[in-house]
Amino acid sequence: GAVVSQHPSRVICKSGTSVKIECRSLDFQATTMFWYRQFPKQSLMLMATSNEGSKATYEQGVEKDKFLINHASLTLSTLTVTSAHPEDSSFYICSAKLDSALRNQPQHFGDGTRLSIL
Amino acid sequence: AQTVTQSQPEMSVQEAETVTLSCTYDTSENNYYLFWYKQPPSRQMILVIRQEAYKQQNATENRFSVNFQKAAKSFSLKISDSQLGDTAMYFCAFMKHGSGNTGKLIFGQGTTLQVKP
Repeated sequence: GAVVSQHPSRVICKSGTSVKIECRSLDFQATTMFWYRQFPKQSLMLMATSNEGSKATYEQGVEKDKFLINHASLTLSTLTVTSAHPEDSSFYICSAKLDSALRNQPQHFGDGTRLSIL
Repeated sequence: AQTVTQSQPEMSVQEAETVTLSCTYDTSENNYYLFWYKQPPSRQMILVIRQEAYKQQNATENRFSVNFQKAAKSFSLKISDSQLGDTAMYFCAFMKHGSGNTGKLIFGQGTTLQVKP
């Protein structure tokens, strides 16, 4: 149980293109999802917290107009990298927190998306 | 603000041996959760073990166990009988408890562990 599907797993596109990444909780509801960015051999950097039905909460230094987040249902959050440039190339990972009265629910992670901008 | 520190960027261990990965954290919270995640070369994040701060007993999951020292704010991971499949990057993570808990995880820098045959 608690499977998170992230799609696509790999994207290669030209500079200036907008890229959408989907994060789905397959067998549970997730009011809250998270988007991370990870550079090689480094830790996960939280970009934003995605809340179903409301605006995402962005971490300091993350451009909200550059990284658009939509969380329109309890099982789907999307991250759109607008007008992507080579410096946006990275590994992006989403996670979802299972909706539960228990507050110690861990995050369940997608398999990540490797984004390469040429 | 909470911080998590993993002071060992890289470690190696012989197959079947035991290795301990260090993690310290800083917080003013009294109730919180601590996690160890594993990220193998496939880059999938896998939950290894978790600990509730209000529990004194150290968590154990098969070959994985923790040494949780709340006063010292230390949360080390011990891997017994290391296997080649344990080769991965390991992240220590902190999560607040209570009404202020959004589920947000604070990650350490990670430790790359190589298990040698």
